[in-house]
Amino acid sequence: KNEVEQSPQNLTAQEGEFITINCSYSVGISALHWLQQHPGGGIVSLFMLSSGKKKHGRLIATINIQEKHSSLHITASHPRDSAVYICAVRVYGSRLTFGEGTQLTVNP
Amino acid sequence: KAGVTQTPRYLIKTRGQQVTLSCSPISGHRSVSWYQQTPGQGLQFLFEYFSETQRNKGNFPGRFSGRQFSNSRSEMNVSTLELGDSALYLCASSLHRTLLQANTEAFFGQGTRLTVV
Repeated sequence: KNEVEQSPQNLTAQEGEFITINCSYSVGISALHWLQQHPGGGIVSLFMLSSGKKKHGRLIATINIQEKHSSLHITASHPRDSAVYICAVRVYGSRLTFGEGTQLTVNP
Repeated sequence: KAGVTQTPRYLIKTRGQQVTLSCSPISGHRSVSWYQQTPGQGLQFLFEYFSETQRNKGNFPGRFSGRQFSNSRSEMNVSTLELGDSALYLCASSLHRTLLQANTEAFFGQGTRLTVV
């Protein structure tokens, strides 16, 4: 079983819809990252969380340390949000471990 | 402020050859980490350097090695290339790293796409 599990693997939405991507992990972590990867490979760090909730524009990320779960929400989705979203956890004193990613497609 | 720069962007090599990839971190960043991304395995951690010392290493064979220079620039080397080494190699830099944990944001480069034929 992977240490980091993301769901869903693929997600198609209509422009304007509210989107949720989930991430569950099974190890002790010091931080969780949400990353966005566009075609061509470039990765952008969206959030780094160790507790609670963060908001940036239309993006909201939450983490529940007790339940070992995080969610990434996109409000009022737009076609430019189409990308792969990757959850990564920093295992205590150690490496970054990644989820398999969620391919999001937002249709106009 | 310039971002993380990886060179070259694209590379084609033959099986058995060796390759060296370069990563220049954001100015002032002292931590550099390397990742391999393939369609089958996704993103996997290779190694992490801080102040010229390797701090963590992923589960890759000894053919994969790296180093960090005093100016924080890092190189990774893959010897005796195999077809399965074809991948996107990404590096990321961070401002600092404590001995126990690294809770600083990571900034990624555009990657080097290596094709082994």
